[in-house]
Amino acid sequence: AQKVTQAQTEISVVEKEDVTLDCVYETRDTTYYLFWYKQPPSGELVFLIRRNSFDEQNEISGRYSWNFQKSTSSFNFTITASQVVDSAVYFCALSQGAQKLVFGQGTRLTINP
Amino acid sequence: EAQVTQNPRYLITVTGKKLTVTCSQNMNHEYMSWYRQDPGLGLRQIYYSMNVEVTDKGDVPEGYKVSRKEKRNFPLILESPSPNQTSLYFCASSSRETETRREQFFGPGTRLTVL
Repeated sequence: AQKVTQAQTEISVVEKEDVTLDCVYETRDTTYYLFWYKQPPSGELVFLIRRNSFDEQNEISGRYSWNFQKSTSSFNFTITASQVVDSAVYFCALSQGAQKLVFGQGTRLTINP
Repeated sequence: EAQVTQNPRYLITVTGKKLTVTCSQNMNHEYMSWYRQDPGLGLRQIYYSMNVEVTDKGDVPEGYKVSRKEKRNFPLILESPSPNQTSLYFCASSSRETETRREQFFGPGTRLTVL
């Protein structure tokens, strides 16, 4: 069965620090997609990135970067020079077929000024 | 604007009073799903639909019903709500097209409290 584990329940850092959110997944599929979503205090889910299983290139988008390693079944997310606006709950998710995402438990990130 | 809408956004009700949460998408997507979000558990799929009149159970279907009579709408029905259904609910849709089929578009969420 598909499974996503975000072992860090809560992380608290001071503004401008770098922070990495861990995501480990389990799947027997050879083709799959991994996602990260941000949930700010307002509650909506904001799509951040999608990565397919054949593309292990790291991705950088501004202060955000993602490290996908199939060898360790991990898809970690790093925020560089964190800001207060980055405070949110972050979810990692794995596609199960086309109709379902399997989510991790979420990591609550608090950036203190 | 491409979007998934849910109504109501907030609802407080009492045990046993039937309710419906509506979901509508304007992207002509084939797939639609309902998820519930609970602390420490992330989001879990309740029901999904592959197309009109095609629905199936997700991971936590007990106590819920759905229908898909039109492609754009996928209402979630709680026939007899109980306090353990207090949660944040998300509707999602996605396309059958290969390139985008794995990305789900989420609605804004419905916060339900059952007293």
